[in-house]
Amino acid sequence: GAGVSQSPSNKVTEKGKDVELRCDPISGHTALYWYRQSLGQGLEFLIYFQGNSAPDKSGLPSDRFSAERTGGSVSTLTIQRTQQEDSAVYLCASSPDWAQAFFGQGTRLTVV
Amino acid sequence: GNSVTQMEGPVTLSEEAFLTINCTYTATGYPSLFWYVQYPGEGLQLLLKATKADDKGSNKGFEATYRKETTSFHLEKGSVQVSDSAVYFCALSTGGGNKLTFGTGTQLKVEL
Repeated sequence: GAGVSQSPSNKVTEKGKDVELRCDPISGHTALYWYRQSLGQGLEFLIYFQGNSAPDKSGLPSDRFSAERTGGSVSTLTIQRTQQEDSAVYLCASSPDWAQAFFGQGTRLTVV
Repeated sequence: GNSVTQMEGPVTLSEEAFLTINCTYTATGYPSLFWYVQYPGEGLQLLLKATKADDKGSNKGFEATYRKETTSFHLEKGSVQVSDSAVYFCALSTGGGNKLTFGTGTQLKVEL
């Protein structure tokens, strides 16, 4: 597709379960970012990939959160043992250069 | 560290009114500045950007000027339309991967 694709668009999970969120960036974009948008915290940076490596993981809120990127393309954000405070919209963005980041529609995660 | 402060909303205007949404920032180094817009039910989209002092970004009738002396990047539009109703986010990026630091967002509602 032409844009950044995220799946699923919505996810409801029980507290304590693990979840995986997927991001397909725009083809050829070397940089990939994960952000979280929540009512109490606004838009927060989580992690940044350049190619398959993650030089900046400073925004990951706890060791329950991890992410990987393979083939310089698809990325997966994994949240283990989900908690209610993990409920948020998780946004992925990709970028070809310093000029701008293109965002996906996000995955709305609800932990019940 | 980096931070962005923008005026709280919601802002309610009549169609054809003048819009100003204030944004100030604190950053190390020389940031690039952005305004992103999130229309109802849609993902974040870049509205405009400026990469150095005194640059003016513009798009769709919106403008913002990078003011280093006042560390500001206020968003303006001379005549708003109902279709401009959205949430507007001011953001900055500095070196080290170009990750974005966002303000809390300002909701704009334009009425007939």
